[in-house]
Amino acid sequence: QVHLVESGGGVVQPGGSLRLSCAASGFQFSAYGMHWVRQAPGKGLEWVAFIRHDGSNKYYADSVKGRFTISRDYSKNTVFLGMNNLRTEDTAVYYCVRDSNGYYYDDEYFHHWGQGTLVTISS
Amino acid sequence: DVVITQSPLSLPVTLGQPASISCRSSQSLIYSDGNTYLNWFHQRPGQSPRRLIYKVSNRDSGVPDRFSGSGSGTDFTLKISRVEAEDVGVYYCLQGTQLWSFGQGTKLEIK
Repeated sequence: QVHLVESGGGVVQPGGSLRLSCAASGFQFSAYGMHWVRQAPGKGLEWVAFIRHDGSNKYYADSVKGRFTISRDYSKNTVFLGMNNLRTEDTAVYYCVRDSNGYYYDDEYFHHWGQGTLVTISS
Repeated sequence: DVVITQSPLSLPVTLGQPASISCRSSQSLIYSDGNTYLNWFHQRPGQSPRRLIYKVSNRDSGVPDRFSGSGSGTDFTLKISRVEAEDVGVYYCLQGTQLWSFGQGTKLEIK
């Protein structure tokens, strides 16, 4: 059973930094790309970042490019989102989402979501 | 960048009546492999989103057959044939053809 558990959220001052973690279990972590998606309070969903199954490519939304870094640790089955120079508009629940298998295409992309972790940027 | 415009943003519906949500893209969503990566999600308050439909018209396992997706190119539609109480919440479309982007969301409520 696919399980994604985010952690690392909290309250940070503007300009500060934070690193989110997403612990994955129940599937072959090294075979799947991973996304981060966020949702500001009372607002819609916004795609944030993606890392390929082998870490070879990373993509970012324009709103976070140059400030956020997605990475993964295969020994820990964990994907990370490093966030620097945080702004009040980064306040949101951040979800970890699994993409499809990178070795053989499947239709499982965006089918599995974590429960989210709340990041609040406030002075 | 691909911009997704969803409408309506609010959708009051009587139980048992049909509902329809539109999703329009600023560019064609046909990918180089011939597939169209337009997907639909449902989110209830306090919950993570759940995928309902993938690649325009394919229902996920466990999704009632009253939900259907259609469309091509830049215009797509999610239809609910007869709205039930459990269908309340916010519906989002997501394009995955050129990076990824969500529509603004449509809040479905019961009249």
